[in-house]
Amino acid sequence: DGGITQSPKYLFRKEGQNVTLSCEQNLNHDAMYWYRQDPGQGLRLIYYSQIVNDFQKGDIAEGYSVSREKKESFPLTVTSAQKNPTAFYLCASSIGQGSSYNEQFFGPGTRLTVL
Amino acid sequence: SQQGEEDPQALSIQEGENATMNCSYKTSINNLQWYRQNSGRGLVHLILIRSNEREKHSGRLRVTLDTSKKSSSLLITASRAADTASYFCATDFVGEYGNKLVFGAGTILRVKS
Repeated sequence: DGGITQSPKYLFRKEGQNVTLSCEQNLNHDAMYWYRQDPGQGLRLIYYSQIVNDFQKGDIAEGYSVSREKKESFPLTVTSAQKNPTAFYLCASSIGQGSSYNEQFFGPGTRLTVL
Repeated sequence: SQQGEEDPQALSIQEGENATMNCSYKTSINNLQWYRQNSGRGLVHLILIRSNEREKHSGRLRVTLDTSKKSSSLLITASRAADTASYFCATDFVGEYGNKLVFGAGTILRVKS
C-alpha cells in the first residue's frame, strides 16, 4: 500500500523535553510538509521541504526543527522552546515542483499532549 | 495573513439536503483545493479547481471558482450521514521556495439521519 505513515498516534511529553514525530512516505514524492492544527482551527504550516537536504520555514517554525536526509522521511522535533506544543500534528506530501496540481496526501496525524 | 476564510463555521442539515460551503481568499492563486477531515484524522483531498476554471464536478460534489471575487463554493448534493466531517478550502500559490497550500479554518458539517 502506498501512503504516509505517522508515529506515534498519541504522544505525551513533559515540559522541558524535546520530542520527535515521525513521518514516512512511500509515494516517491519530492515535497513534504508539517502542519499544526489546534481545536476548531485550520492547518498552519510549520516547515516544508521540496527536495532532500533542503527545507524551509513555514508560518510558525519557532520552537520546531526538521531534517530531510532521505526522500521518504521528514521527522519533526518539537523542542522545549515551543511554548504551547499541545496540538494535532499532520504530515503531508506532494509530487513537488514541476507539478501544477500540488495535491497533498496526509498522514493520520500525531496528537501531542504536554503534561 | 493569506489564510482563506470559510463560512459558515458550522452547518447542520438533514440527510438528503444539499450543503453549501463558501471560501474567500486574498491573493492570486494557481488553484484552489477542497479537503475533508473526519474527526481526529488526516485530511483527504476531494477536488481541485484551477484558476482558469469556473466550475468542476466530481460525483455529488460541485465546486465553483470566481477569481474576480476571490471566492469559491463547495456544494454537496443529496447529503448522507457519512458526509459529516470538517471541510477545508486550500489555496495553492507559488511562494519563494515553491508551492504552498494555505488552509482556511474550515466548515464543520453535520448531516442528521
